[in-house]
Amino acid sequence: QSVLTQPPSVSGAPGQRVTISCTGSSSNIGAGYDVHWYQQLPGTAPKLLIHGYINRPSGVPDRFSGSKSGTSASLAITGLQAEDEADYYCQSYDSSLSGWVFGGGTRLTVL
Amino acid sequence: EVQLVESGGGLVQPGGSLRLSCAVSGFTVRTNYMGWVRQAPGKGLECVSLIYSGDYTYYTDSVKGRFTISRDSYQNTLYLHMSSLRVEDTAVYYCARAVPGNPSWFDRWGQGTLVTVSS
Repeated sequence: QSVLTQPPSVSGAPGQRVTISCTGSSSNIGAGYDVHWYQQLPGTAPKLLIHGYINRPSGVPDRFSGSKSGTSASLAITGLQAEDEADYYCQSYDSSLSGWVFGGGTRLTVL
Repeated sequence: EVQLVESGGGLVQPGGSLRLSCAVSGFTVRTNYMGWVRQAPGKGLECVSLIYSGDYTYYTDSVKGRFTISRDSYQNTLYLHMSSLRVEDTAVYYCARAVPGNPSWFDRWGQGTLVTVSS
């Protein structure tokens, strides 16, 4: 059970917009630690998608965006494409655990 | 070109030891934050260990006293020495570069190496 809670699955049709939430607490997101997002395509290593809530590394399409609200963070994907079908993970730091933590992951299905 | 290539995984009995290697090209292991992240079969990601500038190290609680992270400047390689292995250590182990931040994030990853602990 991760201290960062993500929905197990989300889905959307091609072209639609989906959001994935990452809910934390006062010992991680609420304590001022940033959230980062990763995409893991089937059978491959994770890939950095967003760092510092909103920053996209070069090469990441602007269809991917991040935001923060209170003790939660969200990843939004617009203009869904079949190639977006993957597992998505948020990551931060937890001061109670004194360690780097990942969310449990969300599987995105493109219908 | 940046590349991280893990090796050293395999089948080991409970209580055994293994050393994972991560050969790096395109940047210097010594001057970068580096880490190991694992993924048990069908499960999520877990940060196992990090090494910082000045050789400060971090370990997740479940591996403290059993795993040791280190790096070799000459070989430009990161290592994870694993001992007293348990069935629950079975996972794909990824080597990754960590960018200093609040907290650090992992911007480059290797392809992973599978460690199976079983009798």
